[in-house]
Amino acid sequence: SQQGEEDPQALSIQEGENATMNCSYKTSINNLQWYRQNSGRGLVHLILIRSNEREKHSGRLRVTLDTSKKSSSLLITASRAADTASYFCATDKGQGGKLIFGQGTELSVKP
Amino acid sequence: EAGVAQSPRYKIIEKRQSVAFWCNPISGHATLYWYQQILGQGPKLLIQFQNNGVVDDSQLPKDRFSAERLKGVDSTLKIQPAKLEDSAVYLCASSLDGTVTYEQYFGPGTRLTVT
Repeated sequence: SQQGEEDPQALSIQEGENATMNCSYKTSINNLQWYRQNSGRGLVHLILIRSNEREKHSGRLRVTLDTSKKSSSLLITASRAADTASYFCATDKGQGGKLIFGQGTELSVKP
Repeated sequence: EAGVAQSPRYKIIEKRQSVAFWCNPISGHATLYWYQQILGQGPKLLIQFQNNGVVDDSQLPKDRFSAERLKGVDSTLKIQPAKLEDSAVYLCASSLDGTVTYEQYFGPGTRLTVT
C-alpha cells in the first residue's frame, strides 16, 4: 500500500522559477526521503530528513517536515530544464530500511 | 564506484511464460531490495534481503514470484507463470545496511511487457 500522497500529480513551470511539491503520509515515521526519477531510468536519492528535523537544505533543494501534520515539502529553487523528472517521497518507519513510496509528482521545466 | 547493475533492460514475453531478472548490487552493500513499479505509480517493495536472508517479502506474490540472493551478493527475481498485470518496471536497489537508515541506490530497472 502507498503511504505517501504527493501533490500536485503534475507541475509545469518555466526555467528559473521555483517548484514546490508536497507529500502527505498516514502513520508516524522514522525519516522521510525524496528521490528523483528521470524518464526510463532508476531512482536517485536526493535528500533525507529525520523525524526530529524540521528543515534541511542541499544545494538548490529545501525540504521541510511537519510531523504534526504528517506532511513534507520539497522546494527546488531556480529550476533548470535538467530538473525535469518525477519526484517521489518515501517514508521509512524504522522497519529495517523498508521504504514506502508515494505516487510521485511529474515536474516539467520548460526552457 | 560502480552502480547497481540489472539485466536484461527490456523483456517481452507472453502470458503464462516465465522470466528471470538479475541484479548485482554495489560492492559491500548488505541490503538488497526488489521493487515493482507500475506505470504512473511509485515503486512497491516486493522483497528485501539482508545479506542472503529474507527480511521482508510480505508483498511478494509467492504463488508466482520467487527471489534468491546466493552468497549475499547477486540476486535473481523470477516470475512463473507471468500474468498481464505483471507488466511493469522491476527495480533493484541496494543499501549499505538496511538495519539502520541509509539511502538506497537504484539500478536502471528491467521493463517487462507481458502480452
